[in-house]
Amino acid sequence: ETGVTQSPTHLIKTRGQQVTLRCSSQSGHNTVSWYQQALGQGPQFIFQYYREEENGRGNFPPRFSGLQFPNYSSELNVNALELDDSALYLCASNHLPRGLAGERNEQFFGPGTRLTVL
Amino acid sequence: DAKTTQPNSMESNEEEPVHLPCNHSTISGTDYIHWYRQLPSQGPEYVIHGLTSNVNNRMASLAIAEDRKSSTLILHRATLRDAAVYYCILRTTHTGKLIFGQGTTLQVKP
Repeated sequence: ETGVTQSPTHLIKTRGQQVTLRCSSQSGHNTVSWYQQALGQGPQFIFQYYREEENGRGNFPPRFSGLQFPNYSSELNVNALELDDSALYLCASNHLPRGLAGERNEQFFGPGTRLTVL
Repeated sequence: DAKTTQPNSMESNEEEPVHLPCNHSTISGTDYIHWYRQLPSQGPEYVIHGLTSNVNNRMASLAIAEDRKSSTLILHRATLRDAAVYYCILRTTHTGKLIFGQGTTLQVKP
């Protein structure tokens, strides 16, 4: 059983550019959540995808968008990059029963993608 | 979203117990208390969770106050590998999302 993987590991972009980050969920998981973690801060919830549809969103602007594919892998896209977008982007997967978050539903996190915006 | 308050940092000696406190005075009846930890250069990992009763697993114990407005994560014998940032999180069953606070940075001294 493979865990959550993310690519790339590190990325450097310039202000105004667009970036796509990728996440492969753990085998058997149908839900992917994305988090942004600025240096010295706790992770902040961006959004969650459940069975290819957005299933909740945090306080992030529309230039943060995502996709989930039939194999439950996911992409995070950020348009018009700003300096403050520099952060560690974490992907987490878990399995949700239809329509409910459930009690435990431990989220399994990947190692993250470190994005630097210059 | 209900908020949690934790001390910024704590220190412990190796092989001694560690009690990590968390206040969550605005917790609602549907919120579960989850603890995650983040080791250096890694993503967070699940530690334990509970609703009302105290809980034990192979990693730790969770003691929940009777009014549920606070909880304590207990590491029975701290090791150097337990040095991490520990996050206390209130999780609503309806959304499933995790709302992280600042967490407590635990240092373990040999």
